[in-house]
Amino acid sequence: GNSVTQMEGPVTLSEEAFLTINCTYTATGYPSLFWYVQYPGEGLQLLLKATKADDKGSNKGFEATYRKETTSFHLEKGSVQVSDSAVYFCALVWGNRDDKIIFGKGTRLHILP
Amino acid sequence: GAVVSQHPSWVICKSGTSVKIECRSLDFQATTMFWYRQFPKQSLMLMATSNEGSKATYEQGVEKDKFLINHASLTLSTLTVTSAHPEDSSFYICSASIPADTQYFGPGTRLTVL
Repeated sequence: GNSVTQMEGPVTLSEEAFLTINCTYTATGYPSLFWYVQYPGEGLQLLLKATKADDKGSNKGFEATYRKETTSFHLEKGSVQVSDSAVYFCALVWGNRDDKIIFGKGTRLHILP
Repeated sequence: GAVVSQHPSWVICKSGTSVKIECRSLDFQATTMFWYRQFPKQSLMLMATSNEGSKATYEQGVEKDKFLINHASLTLSTLTVTSAHPEDSSFYICSASIPADTQYFGPGTRLTVL
């Protein structure tokens, strides 16, 4: 079945460090891929998305490229800030009729000042 | 972007009582709404999918008589936790979608059952 695997956290970095959170997926066909962010005590916010191979999603300095050959959608940011501390979820929508989202388990990110 | 609200943001109730949580899409019409449950430090678990004017589709293992979902209009869905017990304490999140578009999530409702 369809699934999403992302690196386990927590990930702890110093401010201005380079961030990579790995995400790989298993799916038939061509799913849409997403990164959601959850700040403490809040719901999920869409961070970025990509709907076809080689698309690059970007927002707030974060980027992720849809790599069909490696079935990956790794999240990157060149210089993280303390305010980026949150839980990041990689997800896919397979495009079935009810648009169900399949989430990864989430990666908790701590940024130290 | 599209905004989804939830009310209340947190609720504390006594065991055996029922609690209703509202989910509203504020600036768009959502043909489909989803209800999720999230345990501490875990991912979201889809509970059910609801389409306006029809019965909700529950995921395996979710008690439909326990978690009543009503999707009365294109902008409102409600989740009622009936006869709540402490094990129902959790963070409940709804989302709303436009067909073939992104799901937009509400801010969540924290339920504590004493």
